[in-house]
Amino acid sequence: ILNVEQSPQSLHVQEGDSTNFTCSFPSSNFYALHWYRWETAKSPEALFVMTLNGDEKKKGRISATLNTKEGYSYLYIKGSQPEDSATYLCALASNTGKLIFGQGTTLQVKP
Amino acid sequence: GAVVSQHPSWVICKSGTSVKIECRSLDFQATTMFWYRQFPKQSLMLMATSNEGSKATYEQGVEKDKFLINHASLTLSTLTVTSAHPEDSSFYICSASRKPSEETQYFGPGTRLLVL
Repeated sequence: ILNVEQSPQSLHVQEGDSTNFTCSFPSSNFYALHWYRWETAKSPEALFVMTLNGDEKKKGRISATLNTKEGYSYLYIKGSQPEDSATYLCALASNTGKLIFGQGTTLQVKP
Repeated sequence: GAVVSQHPSWVICKSGTSVKIECRSLDFQATTMFWYRQFPKQSLMLMATSNEGSKATYEQGVEKDKFLINHASLTLSTLTVTSAHPEDSSFYICSASRKPSEETQYFGPGTRLLVL
């Protein structure tokens, strides 16, 4: 059974702080890794789909890196804002479209 | 673009009744739809994958006769929880992909089911 682990489980930071969290996954037979942001009472929002080892993607103040050989991805948020408060999910994708999700990292940004 | 809706957003029902949850892609045609559920403090777990016009593919441990999936059109998939029991109480959420080659899945807001 494939296991996707995210750490930390939760994080509290002050507005303006930069932060990062980790997604770990089995490195064998890697296909793709997804990152989603999930705000309470809303739909999960796709952030990144990462496929290549060494990939780095950026969307505004959020960026992500990927290391498929060692099986991890980092998500970085620069200068956190209260509106960044959400649960960030990573998911390992297969070539059939199936996603195996981690438990998420819940970020709380205090003004 | 790529908006997915779900209805209802929450439902309470008595044990033994059936509940239908709808998942609609509002501004695109979804070749594939996925159904997930999430128990408290656990990850989203894939239940089944459905392609329009064909039978759904269920994940191991998910009873296909209990969780009926219909994907009759390119914009609508339904999940029916038949003879629901308290242990079926969970958060059910669907996603859709626009085309087989597109990696991104677009999620609905989810349905919270409570079976009394």
